[in-house]
This record gives sequence, C-alpha cells and structure tokens, in this order.
Amino acid sequence: DGGITQSPKYLFRKEGQNVTLSCEQNLNHDAMYWYRQDPGQGLRLIYYSQIVNDFQKGDIAEGYSVSREKKESFPLTVTSAQKNPTAFYLCASSIDSFYGYTFGSGTRLTVV
Amino acid sequence: AQKVTQAQTEISVVEKEDVTLDCVYETRDTTYYLFWYKQPPSGELVFLIRRNSFDEQNEISGRYSWNFQKSTSSFNFTITASQVVDSAVYFCALSVPGANNLFFGTGTRLTVIP
Repeated sequence: DGGITQSPKYLFRKEGQNVTLSCEQNLNHDAMYWYRQDPGQGLRLIYYSQIVNDFQKGDIAEGYSVSREKKESFPLTVTSAQKNPTAFYLCASSIDSFYGYTFGSGTRLTVV
Repeated sequence: AQKVTQAQTEISVVEKEDVTLDCVYETRDTTYYLFWYKQPPSGELVFLIRRNSFDEQNEISGRYSWNFQKSTSSFNFTITASQVVDSAVYFCALSVPGANNLFFGTGTRLTVIP
C-alpha cells in the first residue's frame, strides 16, 4: 500500500544533541513537507521541498535542517540550536499543496 | 494573507448526539480549496473532505456532512449520531494556488462520552 512512513514514533533527545527524524513516501509525490504541532497551536510549516535537491524554509525553520537527495525521502534534523524542540512532528507529501496532503503518523520528540 | 479560525477549542457531547464543528476562513484568492482532517489519538492526520471554492453544494458522507457558505466564509462540519470513535481533534485547512502550504486552524478537540 502506498503511504508515508515516519520513524521513530517516539524519540528522546538530550539537550545539546542533534537528532534526525525519518520520512519516506512511496506515493511518487514530488512535494514533501515537515510540520510541527504544539498543543493548541495547529500545524506550522518548518520546511518544504518541491523537487529533489531543492527545499525551502517555512515559517519556523530556525534550528532545523533538511535534505532531499531522493524523491522518496525527506529527513528532518533538529539541531541543538532549536531552543524548544519538544513537539509532535508530522511529515506530509502531495502532488501539489493546492490539492491537499497525505500525512505520516508523526514522531513525538521529547528533550530530556 | 490566509487564515483559518476554529473558535471551538474543545467540545464534549454524549454519544448519539449531533455536533457541529465550526470553521471560518479568510483569503483574497477567488480560487481555493477547503479541507477537513481528523487526528485520532494515534496522531496521523486523516483526510476527510476537500471542497473547491466554486462548489458550494453541501456534501453528505454517511454520518458526516459539510456546509460550505461563501457568503459567511464558513465551512462547517456536522457529525450526526456521534460515536465514541469520533473522538479526535479535527482540523480545518485552506489552500490557495502557489502557496506551497496548507493553512490550518488550531483544531477542535471532540470528546464523545459513552
């Protein structure tokens, strides 16, 4: 079945460490996105990529980095520069954002 | 600028009651899509419906129905005869051409009490 796989589901990180969240899709979608979800704040766009080897900052890109070396994969690195990284992270893909997204099941990151 | 407002933060209903979730949107674009997504406790956002700006026909899918009114910039979602499995956070969202983003409301947490 086609879909988006995010791993791991839960992730714990010590302060000062970088951590990478995985996102893989087999939907043959060109565009991929990373969102952050905090309680009561909806979803905020971190980064998006419309094509391999190209990506753009979203509304809250500071402290995050991404790569898009393959069409199927769009990993997100939460760096030590991100001051408040504890959140739920959702990856999505689409043919075009105008038509909506397919979402992964999310990764819950906790800084300990 | 685009904006989606879901004024109801939390709603609780008793099973079998009907419930309406409100969504008000703002955009200057004449072409846009509106969406509803369901987020159960597992976390994944599940697509429920997409409606384009030129189609104001209401839609019914089983116990779910949607009322789109451009005159009031609203896209409300009604669940008839609610069930415990309907308990989730529901998000309304808006897309416009070229934005490379879906604009989400802050969500409404629905709790259906057995």
